[in-house]
Amino acid sequence: EPEVTQTPSHQVTQMGQEVILRCVPISNHLYFYWYRQILGQKVEFLVSFYNNEISEKSEIFDDQFSVERPDGSNFTLKIRSTKLEDSAMYFCASSEKVFTAEAFFGQGTRLTVV
Amino acid sequence: AQSVTQLGSHVSVSEGALVLLRCNYSSSVPPYLFWYVQYPNQGLQLLLKYTTGATLVKGINGFEAEFKKSETSFHLTKPSAHMSDAAEYFCAVSPSRRSGNTPLVFGKGTRLSVIA
Repeated sequence: EPEVTQTPSHQVTQMGQEVILRCVPISNHLYFYWYRQILGQKVEFLVSFYNNEISEKSEIFDDQFSVERPDGSNFTLKIRSTKLEDSAMYFCASSEKVFTAEAFFGQGTRLTVV
Repeated sequence: AQSVTQLGSHVSVSEGALVLLRCNYSSSVPPYLFWYVQYPNQGLQLLLKYTTGATLVKGINGFEAEFKKSETSFHLTKPSAHMSDAAEYFCAVSPSRRSGNTPLVFGKGTRLSVIA
């Protein structure tokens, strides 16, 4: 069964460092998303991506964040200068069509900023 | 703004007992509604979804949910709990059926424990 894969599963970084979280969406999917979940809180939308550009983003997704689809298979989330409050589980998702179709989620990357 | 409220951060049931996980939503337009499950150390897996048509929707693993517009609810049920149902369950709403690629809004999640 096709799946969304995320690497690494756990990333520890020092405050102020840049991190790149990687995702490989399902190959025929066209819509890509990043969500995050701070421990004990809701899963929150960060950004959606379609046709090589951001289609929607939340207030959380400020200038410290960027997304990229560098090579047609990977979908990355970059945090330029991490803060303690960026510590969270980050989920990548993809869907074939718009969100009325099933969105497939990856296993998540747990980011710990120390 | 859309929102989702899941009543009870933790629900504990005996094996074989009814599972009821509550979800209420707020939406200014007709919603699309979803339940996702997260098993330990795994990603979010779609259990079931309501878009249009029949208000009682059946999902995987014997779960079902009923969309009740008058109550703005989409509670998840399973007649008989199994040990393997122990997981975190998330209710989610899609804000608009007119706008494509709209993000999901999630509830806080409910952790289901099943006692032998």
